[in-house]
Amino acid sequence: SAVISQKPSRDICQRGTSLTIQCQVDSQVTMMFWYRQQPGQSLTLIATANQGSEATYESGFVIDKFPISRPNLTFSTLTVSNMSPEDSSIYLCSVLGQISGYTFGSGTRLTVV
Amino acid sequence: GEDVEQSLFLSVREGDSSVINCTYTDSSSTYLYWYKQEPGAGLQLLTYIFSNMDMKQDQRLTVLLNKKDKHLSLRIADTQTGDSAIYFCAEIGSSNTGKLIFGQGTTLQVKP
Repeated sequence: SAVISQKPSRDICQRGTSLTIQCQVDSQVTMMFWYRQQPGQSLTLIATANQGSEATYESGFVIDKFPISRPNLTFSTLTVSNMSPEDSSIYLCSVLGQISGYTFGSGTRLTVV
Repeated sequence: GEDVEQSLFLSVREGDSSVINCTYTDSSSTYLYWYKQEPGAGLQLLTYIFSNMDMKQDQRLTVLLNKKDKHLSLRIADTQTGDSAIYFCAEIGSSNTGKLIFGQGTTLQVKP
């Protein structure tokens, strides 16, 4: 299966600041996704990262708050902007490869203080 | 709409079998997945089943699919303490966007 490197693995951030999370895949993949897992909760899809165009956001998530880039088929970033304590969550990158199916990164554990 | 439901907690003794249940609403789901999440870790794909199958076995894992009742189960034989984790059931939504719809997760506690 595809191997995903997600950075940083964890961070503690001040409210009002922004954090950019990186997702690097060891092979070209057709689709990349960003999920949020709030404490004790399941995973909720934030957006689908589209290569060369704007991401497709799910209901309740907007580009101004969660800007996403995907410059090529192996890399994407998610920025959590103007953070508040409510943004404290685990953020996970996921990819869908033609052979490997769905694979998840190890996640970024974000705490906003 | 698309919805996936799971029981939240299961406790078993080491060596027993564990059965984790999941129900879903989207009858057009093509693939259904089981993921494992250990504390502080990401999601590990355990197994998946295609919607035209009734059963899939992979070593200690058995997946049963009842498409009529939209019910999916994961059986872990000879459960070990290392199996303690949160188990998520997920389906591919019918909107053809490729996104996964997750259940709430079942916390499996294995007692020695």
